[in-house]
Amino acid sequence: NAGVTQTPKFRVLKTGQSMTLLCAQDMNHEYMYWYRQDPGMGLRLIHYSVGEGTTAKGEVPDGYNVSRLKKQNFLLGLESAAPSQTSVYFCASSFSPVPGLIYEQYFGPGTRLTVT
Amino acid sequence: DAKTTQPPSMDCAEGRAANLPCNHSTISGNEYVYWYRQIHSQGPQYIIHGLKNNETNEMASLIITEDRKSSTLILPHATLRDTAVYYCIVRSQGTYSGAGSYQLTFGKGTKLSVIP
Repeated sequence: NAGVTQTPKFRVLKTGQSMTLLCAQDMNHEYMYWYRQDPGMGLRLIHYSVGEGTTAKGEVPDGYNVSRLKKQNFLLGLESAAPSQTSVYFCASSFSPVPGLIYEQYFGPGTRLTVT
Repeated sequence: DAKTTQPPSMDCAEGRAANLPCNHSTISGNEYVYWYRQIHSQGPQYIIHGLKNNETNEMASLIITEDRKSSTLILPHATLRDTAVYYCIVRSQGTYSGAGSYQLTFGKGTKLSVIP
């Protein structure tokens, strides 16, 4: 049981390049989340998903897109990277026994992204 | 979600119990107390949660006062690997609607330093 895994662990991009961050969980959780963490800012929610095939915007969605084609995977895409997207990105998942009822969130190890 | 107050930092001798306090005087009846921690450069880690009864798991114990206005996280035998920022969060388990309610909001937490 690996929990929540993220790929890659580190990445350096040039402005304007694109990339996809992959999050995978093996806990059969319904809900998945993408956060970014910047120094002194705490965690901010980018996008989240309440189930396979559904996504929704979080607090800071601009410049990012997401997809959840399979229940266990949640992808975060940057179409045209900007220096302001330099951050640490965390994926999380949580169990939801019934819609609207959410238990604790489990986090991945993070992806450290630098955009130059 | 109710606001929480934690001391900014604490020290604990290795092998001793670490007692981390949290005040949440505005907690409502359906809100749980959650504890997470973040070890430097790692993803946040769920520790424990409770509603009104004391809880214990393999990581820690959670003591909630009878009036539920405060709680204490206890690490029974602190090790150097327990050095981290510990976050006390109060939130309900449902019903969730809108991005703001899905986001897990970490305050400043308590920086616990375990001293050899």
